[in-house]
Amino acid sequence: DAKTTQPPSMDCAEGRAANLPCNHSTISGNEYVYWYRQIHSQGPQYIIHGLKNNETNEMASLIITEDRKSSTLILPHATLRDTAVYYCIVRVAEVTYGQNFVFGPGTRLSVLP
Amino acid sequence: SAVISQKPSRDICQRGTSLTIQCQVDSQVTMMFWYRQQPGQSLTLIATANQGSEATYESGFVIDKFPISRPNLTFSTLTVSNMSPEDSSIYLCSVRQVYTGELFFGEGSRLTVL
Repeated sequence: DAKTTQPPSMDCAEGRAANLPCNHSTISGNEYVYWYRQIHSQGPQYIIHGLKNNETNEMASLIITEDRKSSTLILPHATLRDTAVYYCIVRVAEVTYGQNFVFGPGTRLSVLP
Repeated sequence: SAVISQKPSRDICQRGTSLTIQCQVDSQVTMMFWYRQQPGQSLTLIATANQGSEATYESGFVIDKFPISRPNLTFSTLTVSNMSPEDSSIYLCSVRQVYTGELFFGEGSRLTVL
């Protein structure tokens, strides 16, 4: 079972920041938070991941609460091309057999013109 | 990042036939996986493709239905056997980077069974 909960859908106005929340209250100390997105009819695309510090890259920012029980993915200036299903996943970073990525239903983000 | 190519990108098949999907990666990777995404659903892991040994299947998936080959570190195939309309899905190949833990996906193979 997925160890994260996300809202099923969200809307965001084009040009505004999109803030996608994720709850992971049972996260372990060595588990990272990963975010992926899937644009319609394409394979999932890696966005960002983090352990406890906030992270930023060219695509997004990841804000993790101090207790690590929740996080927020921020798309600073959403465009229509950001319309996709966003998946929040927690797991260890080390590549070990038997510990795989479990995808929940994700959040369907609709960026509106 | 790894570049993953899947063939075919889509196909329409008849009930009772089998289809083999190919996955080619542009670099050697340790871990390769096959996922299924049924219409309107999230991704479900089918199996881990192990190089030189039998694949490791997740609960609900069996080798007779989804035989997997992995002859080397850059290539794998998934066969969907004796297909029924319930097998209509997108099948995705993915690889995991050893050092960063990131998972990369191919564009998927969209299968429709009539």
